Amino acid sequence: SQELEQSPQSLIVQEGKNLTINCTSSKTLYGLYWYKQKYGEGLIFLMMLQKGGEEKSHEKITAKLDEKKQQSSLHITASQPSHAGIYLCGADSNDYKLSFGAGTTVTVRA
Amino acid sequence: DTAVSQTPKYLVTQMGNDKSIKCEQNLGHDTMYWYKQDSKKFLKIMFSYNNKELIINETVPNRFSPKSPDKAHLNLHINSLELGDSAVYFCASSLGSGNTIYFGEGSWLTVV
Repeated sequence: SQELEQSPQSLIVQEGKNLTINCTSSKTLYGLYWYKQKYGEGLIFLMMLQKGGEEKSHEKITAKLDEKKQQSSLHITASQPSHAGIYLCGADSNDYKLSFGAGTTVTVRA
Repeated sequence: DTAVSQTPKYLVTQMGNDKSIKCEQNLGHDTMYWYKQDSKKFLKIMFSYNNKELIINETVPNRFSPKSPDKAHLNLHINSLELGDSAVYFCASSLGSGNTIYFGEGSWLTVV
């Protein structure tokens, strides 16, 4: 099965600072998904990357998939309290399921 | 309108009871899923249905029985609940493999 490692496990950042989360796969990715989860809420879809070298941005969040399609990074610029939560990367193994990493808990301090 | 909705959101029940969680999606998707998130926030697939047919059962105990009466609904019935079943259960749907999966808000199950 597809194994995903996320790093760091958690991080605390000062409001206004940038942060980066990494997601590494043991196998080539058919698709890589990023989700955000706030406590007591469901998963909010952020972005999906499928092509090697692909990069997508939405507001202050940018995600990249490397050329070999085995690693992705999520970068938040000028973090705000609304960015706090758990970020999960999910790998599509082309068999009707996503395998998820263990998540990265982000805390933004005012 | 909520795209993927599941009920109840919170459920506290005693060991040995039988309970159901319902899920409905109004996105017109063909594929629906149940995921389980444990206390360490690790999210794992349980079941996947495509056009009402079971296509993935990830070594889930027989006490868990999904039922899909139509493409828009996938309910999860759990028999003889155990303490270890306490978790958050997420329903999700997508157009199919390789397409974005949209999740419901989760159902918090606590077995006491």
